[in-house]
Amino acid sequence: ETGVTQTPRHLVMGMTNKKSLKCEQHLGHNAMYWYKQSAKKPLELMFVYNFKEQTENNSVPSRFSPECPNSSHLFLHLHTLQPEDSALYLCASSQALTGGKMNTEAFFGQGTRLTVV
Amino acid sequence: GNSVTQMEGPVTLSEEAFLTINCTYTATGYPSLFWYVQYPGEGLQLLLKATKADDKGSNKGFEATYRKETTSFHLEKGSVQVSDSAVYFCALRDTGRRALTFGSGTRLQVQP
Repeated sequence: ETGVTQTPRHLVMGMTNKKSLKCEQHLGHNAMYWYKQSAKKPLELMFVYNFKEQTENNSVPSRFSPECPNSSHLFLHLHTLQPEDSALYLCASSQALTGGKMNTEAFFGQGTRLTVV
Repeated sequence: GNSVTQMEGPVTLSEEAFLTINCTYTATGYPSLFWYVQYPGEGLQLLLKATKADDKGSNKGFEATYRKETTSFHLEKGSVQVSDSAVYFCALRDTGRRALTFGSGTRLQVQP
C-alpha cells in the first residue's frame, strides 16, 4: 500500500455510541493531521502531531480524542457526538514540521464520511 | 496571522473555456503556496505548488504564478474539460511548525 489510507470510508453512529477513525500512512512522514470538512464551511484543522507529539489542538471539543501511537498511525476516537459533527473527516501527513521554511505539501487520505444520527 | 481568500463559487464554464480562480493570501513570513483539487467523494490532491516569488507551478494544464507584490496565486487553465469539475483549494504553508492554511474552496462546474 502507498499513500494515506483512512478507514472506514463511511460511518453512521448514534449520539451515544463510541467509534474510532483510523488513518495510516506509508510515506515515511513524521507529521500527521486531522481536518474536518463540513458542507459550506472552510476546511478546519483539528489536530496536529509531529513525531507523535500533539502540537496543535484548535479548540476541538473533548468528545473528539486523537491518538498517535507511532508516526505511521493516527486515530480519532469519537464519543457522545452531536448531529452537527456530521462531516467528512480528512487525515493528512507530511514531512516533519521544523522551524524553517516549509515547502513540502501534505498528502491526504480519501476521508471518512461521518453521519451522526 | 495567516489567511487565504478565494473567489466564491460555484464557477460554471463551458468546455474549452478559459479558467481563472483568484487566490490572495496574508502571511507573517515567506510562505510556500499550493493548489489542491478535490473530486467528488475524494480527499484533497496536490495540483501544483510554488515556493518562492515569481515561481510558476504547473500540472495537467493548470498554472499559477507566485506574485509576492500582489500576494496572489491565481489558478489558470487555458481550456477546461468536464473532467476538471471539482473543488479547488488554495493553501499556504508558512515558516515554523505550522500546518497548511486553506482557503474556503471554489467549486468549478464544467458543462459539455
